[in-house]
Amino acid sequence: ETGVTQTPRHLVMGMTNKKSLKCEQHLGHNAMYWYKQSAKKPLELMFVYSLEERVENNSVPSRFSPECPNSSHLFLHLHTLQPEDSALYLCASSQEGLTEINYGYTFGSGTRLTVV
Amino acid sequence: GESVGLHLPTLSVQEGDNSIINCAYSNSASDYFIWYKQESGKGPQFIIDIRSNMDKRQGQRVTVLLNKTVKHLSLQIAATQPGDSAVYFCAENIRGAQKLVFGQGTRLTINP
Repeated sequence: ETGVTQTPRHLVMGMTNKKSLKCEQHLGHNAMYWYKQSAKKPLELMFVYSLEERVENNSVPSRFSPECPNSSHLFLHLHTLQPEDSALYLCASSQEGLTEINYGYTFGSGTRLTVV
Repeated sequence: GESVGLHLPTLSVQEGDNSIINCAYSNSASDYFIWYKQESGKGPQFIIDIRSNMDKRQGQRVTVLLNKTVKHLSLQIAATQPGDSAVYFCAENIRGAQKLVFGQGTRLTINP
């Protein structure tokens, strides 16, 4: 295990369903991220939480709703998704320090989402 | 603009040979670079990093080279093994942005 746990590993949902993805980090990090990974595309940053406050929202449709109740947990709530939202959703965490250099992210294994 | 790209989407090498994966970046404000490895069914895993004040860094069987003049980053893997088969991503940290920008990835296949 990498220290970042994502559940579920696989999820199939209909376009009218509501589901949530969960991420938990055991590394004591203070920043967490949601990324979308589609085939043949770079990793797309969706949301950034630093010290439990959302600091970035990269023009993500409102059908994706993040929640960060504490520094160890991150959720991505999904509703009325489209088939093109099918992808691997990756959670990551990092330690944001006083310097601007980011010492890299630790990723979870992802949730493979299929929207039917 | 923000962009990190890889020259080749796929690379095949014979087991035991050395491999080189390349990456080009465009932002001169980038001060930190990372290579990640992503195996099938897993998330990206950190391999090696390098800061912009360095031009070379070595790890176990891996070396990262940074050429800031031409904004080029490479990952060299020595004596490749079957377990090296994966997708490799480069990522850059843009000073002040406090986020990583990822390249598209190169799929490395090790042939027996």
